[in-house]
Amino acid sequence: DAKTTQPNSMESNEEEPVHLPCNHSTISGTDYIHWYRQLPSQGPEYVIHGLTSNVNNRMASLAIAEDRKSSTLILHRATLRDAAVYYCILRDPSGTYKYIFGTGTRLKVLA
Amino acid sequence: GAVVSQHPSWVICKSGTSVKIECRSLDFQATTMFWYRQFPKQSLMLMATSNEGSKATYEQGVEKDKFLINHASLTLSTLTVTSAHPEDSSFYICSANRQGGSNEKLFFGSGTQLSVL
Repeated sequence: DAKTTQPNSMESNEEEPVHLPCNHSTISGTDYIHWYRQLPSQGPEYVIHGLTSNVNNRMASLAIAEDRKSSTLILHRATLRDAAVYYCILRDPSGTYKYIFGTGTRLKVLA
Repeated sequence: GAVVSQHPSWVICKSGTSVKIECRSLDFQATTMFWYRQFPKQSLMLMATSNEGSKATYEQGVEKDKFLINHASLTLSTLTVTSAHPEDSSFYICSANRQGGSNEKLFFGSGTQLSVL
């Protein structure tokens, strides 16, 4: 299985940046790194994804290490609505296009 | 953006009955869909891969006779929990994979909360 390792939980103050790390040392050369977040009682929501270069979109930025064995999701100014569980996921190496979720990071945003 | 519609959002049923959950990709064709289940405070656990026009592929430990999957068209997959029991109570989530290099993304349904009495 494609494995990712994330801290179980993190806290941030509102309006401050948040850096959510993910280790994926078994990543293959062609796998994209995907980040999703999940609010309570909802399905996961796409945040961002990337391959090698750093990526930016309206929600977040993704910084990918040069060796691609780790990445960091950056929320530039956390809001209370960003409180969620954030998952960093990779495609399973079996070639079946399935994705395996790790434990994720529960982000708590303090007002 | 692409949308995956899942319904019902919640269902309460009596023990021994069967429950069907539908998952539709609304604006792209999905030859492959995925079914996950999630217990409170836990991560998503992949149950099975639904393949259009062929049998589903189940993950280890998932009973294929308990969780029947049908993927009859490129936009619809259904999960039927047969003879449901209280231990089947969980949050079930489907996803569809839009494939294609840098555009590859998973789109998730909003989930179905199943409560078996």
